[in-house]
Amino acid sequence: EIVLTQSPGTLSLSPGERATLSCRASQSVSSSYLAWYQQKPGQAPSLLIYGASSRATGIPDRFSGSGSGTDFTLTISRLEPEDFAVYYCQQYGSSPYTFGQGTKLEIK
Amino acid sequence: QVQLVQSGAEVKKPGASVKVSCKASGYTFISYYMQWVRQAPGQGLEWMGIINPSGGGTSYAQKFQGRVTMTRDTSTSTVYMELSSLRSEDTAVYYCAREKAARGFDYWGQGTLVTVSS
Repeated sequence: EIVLTQSPGTLSLSPGERATLSCRASQSVSSSYLAWYQQKPGQAPSLLIYGASSRATGIPDRFSGSGSGTDFTLTISRLEPEDFAVYYCQQYGSSPYTFGQGTKLEIK
Repeated sequence: QVQLVQSGAEVKKPGASVKVSCKASGYTFISYYMQWVRQAPGQGLEWMGIINPSGGGTSYAQKFQGRVTMTRDTSTSTVYMELSSLRSEDTAVYYCAREKAARGFDYWGQGTLVTVSS
């Protein structure tokens, strides 16, 4: 089973700042099948990035994903008030399709 | 438009079983895999397993092997997740989500709260 470790656990930033979230895998993720999701309180997760770096439909370009192998990054270039939420990475290259434990992005 | 509509909240006693449904519409049902994910109160996302609606093939997380069964009904475009031998730790919101061609899980159901309490 591939274990995903996200860091930091909590990130405190202000609107307009840049956010960098990390997701590290215990072994190489097949074909970069790595996705990022945003979850707001009381809502289902929503897809931001798939294939490590491809934005999902309708996702603004301030969100970008990068990385391969075991190290992946989600970057939000300029934080908007609606971006403060919990972010999860998920690998879907090999079963079981595991999630990271999440990074909470909070307003400073 | 694509929709995944899940069945309503359930309250079950320890030892019982629960069956949650996820009805798909707005797309070709058999063309997308469906995963089930759960989230305990205040906790992160936990992957339970996946079903291929086309042939019915499944893959389950080892943690749930022997307790979970995922099935589908192509005539109603519905997938089901049944979890047996429920315990209090199974109290969570259960989600279905679809995926195709390695493009991530792009549509999610609204979630179904399952509460296990004596």
